[in-house]
Amino acid sequence: QKEVEQNSGPLSVPEGAIASLNCTYSDRVSQSFFWYRQYSGKSPELIMSIYSNGDKEDGRFTAQLNKASQYVSLLIRDSQPSDSATYLCAVNTQAYGGATNKLIFGTGTLLAVQP
Amino acid sequence: DTAVSQTPKYLVTQMGNDKSIKCEQNLGHDTMYWYKQDSKKFLKIMFSYNNKELIINETVPNRFSPKSPDKAHLNLHINSLELGDSAVYFCASSQDMGGLAEYNEQFFGPGTRLTVL
Repeated sequence: QKEVEQNSGPLSVPEGAIASLNCTYSDRVSQSFFWYRQYSGKSPELIMSIYSNGDKEDGRFTAQLNKASQYVSLLIRDSQPSDSATYLCAVNTQAYGGATNKLIFGTGTLLAVQP
Repeated sequence: DTAVSQTPKYLVTQMGNDKSIKCEQNLGHDTMYWYKQDSKKFLKIMFSYNNKELIINETVPNRFSPKSPDKAHLNLHINSLELGDSAVYFCASSQDMGGLAEYNEQFFGPGTRLTVL
């Protein structure tokens, strides 16, 4: 079973719509969750982090976390063509018997916002 | 100012050669990482260093040797390059790798696209 799962997409939404990106993870003790945006040929850019159950809003972005269901999501309101990119979900998980943490990435969801 | 920088941006080389990639961060972070992103865009951690000490060493061939001369620099040397080493290599840094969750936020460099012919 993959540690962090995302639908690879492409997820196609019209401009102005809400884009909903989902992610599930397998490590129940994970405490930190991140969403990165990666444009083609560029590096991952951190856009949201969430550590507690519930919603966290930042501008047009809302991250949602449900630790009981091991589920993280990212909502993008008023989607713009410039939002078209691959969105990577990353989960901080314990490694080396709990001695340290490491970030496990999903394979990413490609979002295409149609003008 | 570039927060995390890498050189070179592109590296094209023949099989069997040895090459190095350099990374520097000016964020004052204690922890630095090397990631490999393959052709399917899967991003996987290779190494992490905390204050010059190797912390994470994933299942990576011995041909890959990281070196951290100080906590602002993390270099990656690759011996005897193979076709399968072709990928984009990203350096990243975070304030820490434990403790407060916010300290684990990682910031990535621009990447080095390695092509082995």
